[in-house]
Amino acid sequence: EVQLLESGGALVQPGGSLRLSCAASGFTFGSHAMGWVRQAPGKGLEWVAVIGGSGARTYFADSVRGRFTISRDNSMNTVNLEMSGLRAEDTALYFCAKDLSIHTYALFDYWGQGTLVTVSS
Amino acid sequence: SSVLTQPPSVAVAPGKTASITCEGNNIASKSVHWYQQKPGQAPVLVIYYNNDRPSGIPERFSGSKSGNTATLTISRVEGGDEADFYCQVWDRSSDQYVFGTGTKVTVL
Repeated sequence: EVQLLESGGALVQPGGSLRLSCAASGFTFGSHAMGWVRQAPGKGLEWVAVIGGSGARTYFADSVRGRFTISRDNSMNTVNLEMSGLRAEDTALYFCAKDLSIHTYALFDYWGQGTLVTVSS
Repeated sequence: SSVLTQPPSVAVAPGKTASITCEGNNIASKSVHWYQQKPGQAPVLVIYYNNDRPSGIPERFSGSKSGNTATLTISRVEGGDEADFYCQVWDRSSDQYVFGTGTKVTVL
């Protein structure tokens, strides 16, 4: 059974930093891209970042590029999202998600339950 | 990058058919995927690669595409189908996942 468990969400001041983690199990972790998708309160889904299975390639939404980084540890089956320069508009529930495709990018077939990030003074 | 536009809301009576559209430039050349999100829950994949259903998703859910419009159809709608629905594509030109604006389905 595929499981994705996010952690690290917190209340942080504007301009601050935060690290989110996602622990994965139940599939061949290194074969799949892993992404983060966020949802601001009462709003729709917004893709944030993705990292390829080997970790060599990363892609970011325009809204976070240059402020967020994504990494993975295939020996520990974890993926991390490092967020810096946080703004009020980064306030959201952050979901970790697994791409269905093998060694490419397409869609997310499994999602975690999310971890809440609140940016406020 | 791509922009995917969905109607904000769709209302349907139980037992009837709900159709949710997703319009976007060049969507004809992309694979479209659909997610259902119930309140307080994570999204669930209901249709992938335009018209395939993951295991466990009822046959009442189907997908189609014509030109630059993709459609999710829910037949014989039930009260439990009330949720927000999102379309999504992978935009190869910008290396981004793009989600639609979302549609709230209300069962009357």
